[in-house]
Amino acid sequence: DQQVKQNSPSLSVQEGRISILNCDYTNSMFDYFLWYKKYPAEGPTFLISISSIKDKNEDGRFTVFLNKSAKHLSLHIVPSQPGDSAVYFCAASARLKAWGNGNKLVFGAGTILRVKS
Amino acid sequence: EAGVTQFPSHSVIEKGQTVTLRCDPISGHDNLYWYRRVMGKEIKFLLHFVKESKQDESGMPNNRFLAERTGGTYSTLKVQPAELEDSGVYFCASSQDLYGPTETQYFGPGTRLLVL
Repeated sequence: DQQVKQNSPSLSVQEGRISILNCDYTNSMFDYFLWYKKYPAEGPTFLISISSIKDKNEDGRFTVFLNKSAKHLSLHIVPSQPGDSAVYFCAASARLKAWGNGNKLVFGAGTILRVKS
Repeated sequence: EAGVTQFPSHSVIEKGQTVTLRCDPISGHDNLYWYRRVMGKEIKFLLHFVKESKQDESGMPNNRFLAERTGGTYSTLKVQPAELEDSGVYFCASSQDLYGPTETQYFGPGTRLLVL
């Protein structure tokens, strides 16, 4: 049973345009969400996160939006650059529930983003 | 500051053999996690150490997998005997502040294991 789903295996956008990557989750206990970027033959690199008490978090060209009622979050990249081409993973954790017992991340399957120049 | 390192980067073994993966976390990070990605699917949690103690090993697939973190520094993950379905990329991650609002797990480059 996949608790975090990234339904788009791949996305292709033109350089300079907006990239929108989507993620859905099913576990209502999740209260912390993260996006990681992964280049081939490398490990995932932390990009941006959001707590469930917020609905938006922005860091430079990257913005994450959280819709708790819909159990949906999205990552916006504006403007997209060729160097953004990578696999993007959505991840979630249940911090309050896991208090004192670890903070394991539950990942989606990833979305391959290709930014064309 | 050095990041999370993993050794070896690749390992090809035959079914039934033993393989030991090593992870060196970022210095000072008490939390160490093991994850695995199989066949390009989602990255799945295996287990979590706080210092030398296993905090959560709910993701370990079976008793062929043994993880240790003696002394609370580096960790090893042994697979014995290896099966075909154990093939995948094994990631290690470490973090500093489990209870902080901004705990971030930093991942190593992974070990690519292929069992033939």
